[in-house]
Amino acid sequence: DAGVTQTPRHEVAEKGQTIILKCEPVSGHNDLFWYRQTKIQGLELLSYFRSKSLMEDGGAFKDRFKAEMLNSSFSTLKIQPTEPKDSAVYLCASSPGLGEDTQYFGPGTRLLVL
Amino acid sequence: QQKVQQSPESLTVSEGAMASLNCTFSDGTSDNFRWYRQHSGKGLEVLVSIFSDGEKEEGRFTAHLNRASLHVSLHIREPQPSDSAVYLCAMSVSNTDKVVFGTGTRLQVSP
Repeated sequence: DAGVTQTPRHEVAEKGQTIILKCEPVSGHNDLFWYRQTKIQGLELLSYFRSKSLMEDGGAFKDRFKAEMLNSSFSTLKIQPTEPKDSAVYLCASSPGLGEDTQYFGPGTRLLVL
Repeated sequence: QQKVQQSPESLTVSEGAMASLNCTFSDGTSDNFRWYRQHSGKGLEVLVSIFSDGEKEEGRFTAHLNRASLHVSLHIREPQPSDSAVYLCAMSVSNTDKVVFGTGTRLQVSP
């Protein structure tokens, strides 16, 4: 069984660019999460989908971060425009939902904004 | 390869009684440790971050780190039913972006 996959694994962008990160959850999972991970802050929730519906959109991250889930097997996270402070590892996780909460994490995308 | 063992797997405490959760990690090459909480159907939320040996308190949550014994714990003072959730410890590996998570403790706080 394939786990959560994320592409690209690494991304370098210049300030002001638009970047799109991609995630494929574990097949059959209902819940999908996007997190930002830094050494200082740890994990910060960006978005949470349940059965493709957006349940949480991460409050402070609303203005430049937009996650979408067009089908149950694919999600994107768009950052527009990027800023140097966005440099971090972006993690996607999925869980079965429906009472089974264990989250399975992807390998992450390491973003560097110059 | 770093590993984090978390115990107990599940814990039931009465409202108001102290709850204690534990993590043992495989080696000391870590920058920091964090405790996260996951309520059913929600994302992970950070409870406490601890960077050096000793104690770190955030409200009712206190983390204790002892690198020599490769151990980090979380104590929840006066737990409430709303604290019922899965608690995860996480170790940030030095000189990498890697974070190693424990297996989780499911806490149930009964009224």
